[in-house]
Amino acid sequence: GESVGLHLPTLSVQEGDNSIINCAYSNSASDYFIWYKQESGKGPQFIIDIRSNMDKRQGQRVTVLLNKTVKHLSLQIAATQPGDSAVYFCAPPLSRQLTFGSGTQLTVLP
Amino acid sequence: EPEVTQTPSHQVTQMGQEVILRCVPISNHLYFYWYRQILGQKVEFLVSFYNNEISEKSEIFDDQFSVERPDGSNFTLKIRSTKLEDSAMYFCASMPGQAVNYGYTFGSGTRLTVV
Repeated sequence: GESVGLHLPTLSVQEGDNSIINCAYSNSASDYFIWYKQESGKGPQFIIDIRSNMDKRQGQRVTVLLNKTVKHLSLQIAATQPGDSAVYFCAPPLSRQLTFGSGTQLTVLP
Repeated sequence: EPEVTQTPSHQVTQMGQEVILRCVPISNHLYFYWYRQILGQKVEFLVSFYNNEISEKSEIFDDQFSVERPDGSNFTLKIRSTKLEDSAMYFCASMPGQAVNYGYTFGSGTRLTVV
């Protein structure tokens, strides 16, 4: 079957370093992707989105890169802070449902 | 900033009992959703609701589940006869329009514990 939002399960970075969180998808028809952050005990929180007609989109301290050739997205967080510790998902919507993968647990080390 | 509000934050119930989880979506939003997350697992879609009816539901959303928008502000998820495996975080989400790129706003969730 199709797979969406495949992530490496964990990532540890030093405070102040840049973080890169990767996500793979298999459905080449996906044309829109959302990155969510989920802190412990809270609901998913929208971070940034990107359409398939873009390769890159920048937000505040975050950049998302999309490589449609290899069906890969990455979320880059600049100058990672303790408050960035959370699980990060890329969630391509299928119709109007979001389909979440297992996510990547980002741990920021002091 | 507008929020999706969920109550209660934690609900403990006996197996076989009915529970109602409550959500107040953002006021001008039109699409409403329930998702659940079993501890340590993925967030899973349950149901979407638009124009006072269910628009999509997953295989998880069986006859034990129902949703209502009783008064134009609340959006509820009812589980008629809870099972142990219904223990999970339940998240409500809402969206303003048809296009998914309007973005979903999630509530903070209700932790349901079935004992």
